[in-house]
Amino acid sequence: SQQGEEDPQALSIQEGENATMNCSYKTSINNLQWYRQNSGRGLVHLILIRSNEREKHSGRLRVTLDTSKKSSSLLITASRAADTASYFCATDPLYGNNRLAFGKGNQVVVIP
Amino acid sequence: DTGVSQNPRHKITKRGQNVTFRCDPISEHNRLYWYRQTLGQGPEFLTYFQNEAQLEKSRLLSDRFSAERPKGSFSTLEIQRTEQGDSAMYLCASSDGMVTGKDSNQPQHFGDGTRLSIL
Repeated sequence: SQQGEEDPQALSIQEGENATMNCSYKTSINNLQWYRQNSGRGLVHLILIRSNEREKHSGRLRVTLDTSKKSSSLLITASRAADTASYFCATDPLYGNNRLAFGKGNQVVVIP
Repeated sequence: DTGVSQNPRHKITKRGQNVTFRCDPISEHNRLYWYRQTLGQGPEFLTYFQNEAQLEKSRLLSDRFSAERPKGSFSTLEIQRTEQGDSAMYLCASSDGMVTGKDSNQPQHFGDGTRLSIL
């Protein structure tokens, strides 16, 4: 079953602005991962944050994790038109063979 | 690293026909996953292999679905007697499973999927 729930579901921003997406989950996790998906393509791994980490950066991406609130956020800074995609959070459950549980995704449109 | 390869990219078939998809994972990855994704939704887990052993199957995987990974390398997913509700994108992913001394928190690498349309 789907576990992650992203909020907001759709986001439209101007190029250069920041985009923030949130994700909540329900069970204990090993880690939480964010993926990007362009239309008709597979998912591209963006960043993995372990359950004992609180914040992680990768280029223009910043991810936070609050295990007490069972929530995570993804911030994309200085957005570009090429960032237009769907973004998914996925949880790797504590006892689950690393099978990922995905949310419904956020559709992000960056207007040039 | 040639990435995860899936074939075919698109499959259109009539209801009741059987279909088979193939996934070639990243060569050194011992873990392989199948997911299904419908329009506007995130991927849903179907099944998981470690090497050639199928270790977990979702309740979504009815008895019309079968997956194999005969030599622990490529995998096939077969759907028998296809139904309209089987129309979806079928995604394969692979990862480097835990090896002694190696971090078990490994990302999964996805192929571009096979889009199945049932007429």
